[in-house]
Amino acid sequence: GNSVTQMEGPVTLSEEAFLTINCTYTATGYPSLFWYVQYPGEGLQLLLKATKADDKGSNKGFEATYRKETTSFHLEKGSVQVSDSAVYFCALSDIAGGGADGLTFGKGTHLIIQP
Amino acid sequence: NAGVTQTPKFQVLKTGQSMTLQCAQDMNHEYMSWYRQDPGMGLRLIHYSVGAGITDQGEVPNGYNVSRSTTEDFPLRLLSAAPSQTSVYFCAARSGLGEKLFFGSGTQLSVL
Repeated sequence: GNSVTQMEGPVTLSEEAFLTINCTYTATGYPSLFWYVQYPGEGLQLLLKATKADDKGSNKGFEATYRKETTSFHLEKGSVQVSDSAVYFCALSDIAGGGADGLTFGKGTHLIIQP
Repeated sequence: NAGVTQTPKFQVLKTGQSMTLQCAQDMNHEYMSWYRQDPGMGLRLIHYSVGAGITDQGEVPNGYNVSRSTTEDFPLRLLSAAPSQTSVYFCAARSGLGEKLFFGSGTQLSVL
């Protein structure tokens, strides 16, 4: 079956620091890849996605590139803000070998940005 | 733009009580699902539905029932609550496979 592995954290950074959250995956098919973000007290919301190898998803200064050769989809941001403090989930969608509904989530990475 | 609406936001139950978590969406999406979120476990799929009248089990279905009589509504029923069901529950909807999920704001459930 499929799986998604990401660091759980918490990851603590100072404002304006560079952010990388690693995500690697195992998939039997050709999955779409996602990053979701969960702000305190809220549900998850889509941050960015990529549907095929070498695609780059980007949104709100965050970027992630679909790397098939390293089975990775690392999330990056050049200069983080306090408002970026949240839990970030890497996920894949692959009907061929995913969970019951074709979706597999990582366990989430708690990011804390200090002023 | 309501999206996915969950009620209630908070609930406290005693062991053995039953209740229904409500979920409604106004996007006309065929696919809906229920997840539970626990510390260190991430999101785990409880049940899902690919359309009205069709439901199926996810990773952790025991102790929960669902039904999908309309496209809009997908309630989750706890038949006899147990402390192990203390969790945050999220309902989600999407238009199809590979498409993004729209999540509700969650229900925090405590079973004493």
